[in-house]
Amino acid sequence: NAGVTQTPKFRVLKTGQSMTLLCAQDMNHEYMYWYRQDPGMGLRLIHYSVGEGTTAKGEVPDGYNVSRLKKQNFLLGLESAAPSQTSVYFCASSSPLAGAHYNEQFFGPGTRLTVL
Amino acid sequence: AQRVTQPEKLLSVFKGAPVELKCNYSYSGSPELFWYVQYSRQRLQLLLRHISRESIKGFTADLNKGETSFHLKKPFAQEEDSAMYYCALKGASGTYKYIFGTGTRLKVLA
Repeated sequence: NAGVTQTPKFRVLKTGQSMTLLCAQDMNHEYMYWYRQDPGMGLRLIHYSVGEGTTAKGEVPDGYNVSRLKKQNFLLGLESAAPSQTSVYFCASSSPLAGAHYNEQFFGPGTRLTVL
Repeated sequence: AQRVTQPEKLLSVFKGAPVELKCNYSYSGSPELFWYVQYSRQRLQLLLRHISRESIKGFTADLNKGETSFHLKKPFAQEEDSAMYYCALKGASGTYKYIFGTGTRLKVLA
């Protein structure tokens, strides 16, 4: 199992450009999340999804959009990138089903994004 | 408001010394509490959770509902414990969001 993968690993954008970050998981998890990690701010939830075709806003959703067309994929889009979106982005997935990994979040390796 | 507070950004201890990483939470209800760890150049991973009541890599954490705390402890720190530690809270069944603290960087000095 690859677990949670993220594409790309690194990206540099100019202000105003758009891009999509891809998250994929092969654990058949229902829930998927996008976080950003900034120094001194910890992990902040951007958007999340509790199932295919459903998404919801997290703590810091402005400037981002998401889609969950397939259960295994969760896309994060930046329509018009701003320097304030320079961050490390983490995707995570989890399952609410009973078992050893109940409600445990599995994280991807992160995407380091710089917006100039 | 739901909140997780980790008051220390950086904690430095010598090898063999006891470690306590503090975590306080604010939540009206019965949350699940977790500690996640991020070693250098690795992804975040679960260290332990309060419902398991187990010791992982020598670390333990007890949920104190009276003090709304979930401090992470280890009696004898090792150099390989150096990492970023995040305390996280998930609300009761039926809620989906996790709230993370700002993290504490632990440095274990030789």
